[in-house]
Amino acid sequence: GAVVSQHPSRVICKSGTSVKIECRSLDFQATTMFWYRQFPKKSLMLMATSNEGSKATYEQGVEKDKFLINHASLTLSTLTVTSAHPEDSSFYICSARDLRRQGGNTIYFGEGSWLTVV
Amino acid sequence: GENVEQHPSTLSVQEGDSAVIKCTYSDSASNYFPWYKQELGKRPQLIIDIRSNVGEKKDQRIAVTLNKTAKHFSLHITETQPEDSAVYFCAATYSSNDYKLSFGAGTTVTVRA
Repeated sequence: GAVVSQHPSRVICKSGTSVKIECRSLDFQATTMFWYRQFPKKSLMLMATSNEGSKATYEQGVEKDKFLINHASLTLSTLTVTSAHPEDSSFYICSARDLRRQGGNTIYFGEGSWLTVV
Repeated sequence: GENVEQHPSTLSVQEGDSAVIKCTYSDSASNYFPWYKQELGKRPQLIIDIRSNVGEKKDQRIAVTLNKTAKHFSLHITETQPEDSAVYFCAATYSSNDYKLSFGAGTTVTVRA
């Protein structure tokens, strides 16, 4: 299957600092990537849609100034958590759409990134 | 937006028995319904998916059925094995032209040896 890679897998940062998480599609181009957040033992909540070459589309309730998304190329989207607080600690996971698959909407996930804000 | 409900939240089955997880969705325009298996701390793995022009799909011990009229779809795992123990999520696209996924709350499946 398609490979989506995410980095870092784990990161610890201090309150008030910013942290960047990268999501890469390794063997296909992704014009659209998605960022999710997952709390322990909970479901995945869509945060935003990352669009190559244009602004990200944020879901209701997600602060765009706090969660900065940049999709500068067809294989890379980044999520920057700015001025991080302990409540931002979570599992962040990206996904990308593989247009080569039938119907063009098979979606694959990155490995996820555990963020701990201390 | 799309609202996906998933039941049950936990499911314990004896090895060799079948497991069934059911989901309902609200957006009649949704056209893609994937199922994911997630082990603790790992990424969700796509195990099977179905599109709205198909009523049933099977892949070895896993099958998915879709009832568009009733807006519900189900995952069936037959001959369960201990390695099937995980959290399973159903999902549905927000609409027919949008590939954002709305996830169910998840089902923790435990297969007893």
